[in-house]
Amino acid sequence: GNSVTQMEGPVTLSEEAFLTINCTYTATGYPSLFWYVQYPGEGLQLLLKATKADDKGSNKGFEATYRKETTSFHLEKGSVQVSDSAVYFCALTRSTGNQFYFGTGTSLTVIP
Amino acid sequence: EPEVTQTPSHQVTQMGQEVILRCVPISNHLYFYWYRQILGQKVEFLVSFYNNEISEKSEIFDDQFSVERPDGSNFTLKIRSTKLEDSAMYFCASTRASVGTDTQYFGPGTRLTVL
Repeated sequence: GNSVTQMEGPVTLSEEAFLTINCTYTATGYPSLFWYVQYPGEGLQLLLKATKADDKGSNKGFEATYRKETTSFHLEKGSVQVSDSAVYFCALTRSTGNQFYFGTGTSLTVIP
Repeated sequence: EPEVTQTPSHQVTQMGQEVILRCVPISNHLYFYWYRQILGQKVEFLVSFYNNEISEKSEIFDDQFSVERPDGSNFTLKIRSTKLEDSAMYFCASTRASVGTDTQYFGPGTRLTVL
């Protein structure tokens, strides 16, 4: 089947710290992988995506590389800011369909 | 930037009552979805909708649930007789196309509380 497992939260970091949120997946075929972010009171917003193995998605200083050999799509940022405080969701969708499979979300709080 | 909107933001209802959750997808999008997230659990797919019919649904989407696009802009999720376990955050989403690489745009969610 298809599923996503992501790191349990909550995560609390100091400003300018390095961030990693782990995400691994199980999928049939060749899925596309996504990171969504949800700021307080808002909807899920696409942060970045990668559609094939070894692709790197990047946006707003965040990066994630699609690793087929380890079935992973870990989210990283070199220096977090207070404004990055949000819930981060890893997700996949199959190449032949449009249903998204999400992880449980990881809450990140960045303190000054 | 166009966005998906949902109303209400919070709905409280008594067990056994019917609720209708409303969504306005992005205007040129053709595919519409509902997801839910029970507190502390994964965001789960419920249903996808295209061309006025359901194109895919999960095992969660049983006879208690229905979806409708009553006019050119709204997309609704009806729960016929709510149960305590229906308490969750419900997200609506839309896409232009159906391919797996297309980005889904999500609304802010409706928090449903069943008492």
